[in-house]
Amino acid sequence: DSGVTQTPKHLITATGQRVTLRCSPRSGDLSVYWYQQSLDQGLQFLIQYYNGEERAKGNILERFSAQQFPDLHSELNLSSLELGDSALYFCASSPRRGASYGYTFGSGTRLTVV
Amino acid sequence: QKEVEQDPGPLSVPEGAIVSLNCTYSNSAFQYFMWYRQYSRKGPELLMYTYSSGNKEDGRFTAQVDKSSKYISLFIRDSQPSDSATYLCAMSAPSGGGADGLTFGKGTHLIIQP
Repeated sequence: DSGVTQTPKHLITATGQRVTLRCSPRSGDLSVYWYQQSLDQGLQFLIQYYNGEERAKGNILERFSAQQFPDLHSELNLSSLELGDSALYFCASSPRRGASYGYTFGSGTRLTVV
Repeated sequence: QKEVEQDPGPLSVPEGAIVSLNCTYSNSAFQYFMWYRQYSRKGPELLMYTYSSGNKEDGRFTAQVDKSSKYISLFIRDSQPSDSATYLCAMSAPSGGGADGLTFGKGTHLIIQP
């Protein structure tokens, strides 16, 4: 157990729907990162929050949004889902603001859009 | 050209062999280099971390960085069947605003044959 908790583990939903993925970081970690992993694109950085504030954005679609709450857990909202959004979504956490020393990943949420 | 290139494999070697995994990159700003191991349906797990050029050894694992060639390697000695996994290289530039997540290679699928 890495200490980073993601729920749900699996999600199956229809095109056009909206889903929310949840992440609880390791105790004491202030940074939360979201990544999407697909077979053809590999791990793609989506967005980072540090202590409640958005800090960096990667390849995140406008249909996707995220937030980090005062208790430091984070949610990733995916809307108007398309078949191509089917992927593994990982959350990672770190005690630091930057990515320089790496971070700890959760086990991921497998999203299937049908 | 992608920022980080990594041969996807699969790379199949007999138990006990020395394994060499490699990545090349194009962004000369990268200073921090990591190797993650990912078992099937699990989150990536940080294996090795290296700053700038040089070697780092941890048990059976050795990480090498050659910044002049923009080339990093991970060597696994006395490989075991439990080393069978996907190995992802990751790297980042010093923090300073903008996209601050790690940039990952697509991963090399390694199979150690008993």
